[in-house]
Order: sequence, then C-alpha cells, then structure tokens
Amino acid sequence: DQQVKQNSPSLSVQEGRISILNCDYTNSMFDYFLWYKKYPAEGPTFLISISSIKDKNEDGRFTVFLNKSAKHLSLHIVPSQPGDSAVYFCAALTGTASKLTFGTGTRLQVTL
Amino acid sequence: DAGVTQSPTHLIKTRGQHVTLRCSPISGHKSVSWYQQVLGQGPQFIFQYYEKEERGRGNFPDRFSARQFPNYSSELNVNALLLGDSALYLCASSLWWGGTDTQYFGPGTRLTVL
Repeated sequence: DQQVKQNSPSLSVQEGRISILNCDYTNSMFDYFLWYKKYPAEGPTFLISISSIKDKNEDGRFTVFLNKSAKHLSLHIVPSQPGDSAVYFCAALTGTASKLTFGTGTRLQVTL
Repeated sequence: DAGVTQSPTHLIKTRGQHVTLRCSPISGHKSVSWYQQVLGQGPQFIFQYYEKEERGRGNFPDRFSARQFPNYSSELNVNALLLGDSALYLCASSLWWGGTDTQYFGPGTRLTVL
C-alpha cells in the first residue's frame, strides 16, 4: 500500500524555467511533509519541509505547497538550474513518530 | 562538521550469509534510523534507535536487527541473506526521536546478494 505517491517518474525542464514536482498521499494521519533531493552515489539531502498547519513554505528558489483537502503537495523550483538535476523524493510523517514514508521519486533533468 | 558516515561503501555477499553495516551519526545527534532503498523505489523504514533503545520498527522480517552503542553509532545486521535483500541501505541521524526533527542521511551502503 503506497501511502505516498509520486506519479511522475521523470520531468525535463529548461534552465531558468519553473520545475513543479507533485506528490499525493493517502494517510490522513500525516501532518508533516518533506522533500529530499538525491544525487547518484549520495544519500538523500533535505531540501524543505512543511507542517500541515501551513499551506506554503518558501526557502530561496524552493517553495512547497500543501493542499490538505486534496492530500496533495508540490515542490516548485524557480528558476531551475542544471545543478538541480537529481531525483526528488517526497516524504511524510506523523508528529509522534520519526518514521519517514517516502514516495518513489521523480527524476528531474534541467536542460540548457 | 562531518556528516553521517557509513561503512562499507559496497558489499557483495552470497545467499545465506550474514552482513553487518555500520553508521556513525552527526556529532551531537542521538537518534539513528535505518532505511532500505530497492532500485526504483523510495527508501523504506527499517529501524529507529534513540539512546540505545529501539523506538520504531518497520515491516521487515526478524532476520533484520540493529543496535546502537553508547557513542550513538549503530549497526544493522541482516542474517540469512536473500537475493531480495540487495539494496542501498541508508542511515539517517537526528538530534532526537519523534516529531519533526530533520533526519540527515549518509551516503549509504550498496549491498549485492548473489
């Protein structure tokens, strides 16, 4: 049972444009959401997070939006840079446990 | 400051053998979690330890076990290896357990079971 879903395995975006990565979840107990970026041969790197009491969180070029009623969140990267090319994982957890539940990832390629 | 370190980087074993993977958390972090990432999937939670006690366990068989030492480093042990255990094993550390404390991942150990 995949509780966190990333339905787009890959995404290609031109440099300078906006990248939008999507994530859906089914477990209504999730109340905290995170995005991690992963390069080959490295572990996932924390990018940005959002609590369920908010609908938006911004950090530089990265913004995460949360729509609780739709159980959907998205990561916006503006402007996209070639160094952003990586696999992006959406993850969720409940406030009482540190167990991260990950999606299957979306491979982002930023082209020149 | 050094990040999370894991050893070995790569490991090749045969079916039926056992394996021990090691993790050193970020200095000051007291919680260590283990995840398994199979090719094409996201990481799956295996265990979390805090102050040497198990605080969470994922849906993995009893062949998987772990422990945390007084210096907060950790070992993951897998017995009677199966082909399906081939995966990237990730260790993550955080300051404490529970709640929204950010988990920082190491580079992982790539285990291949032949």
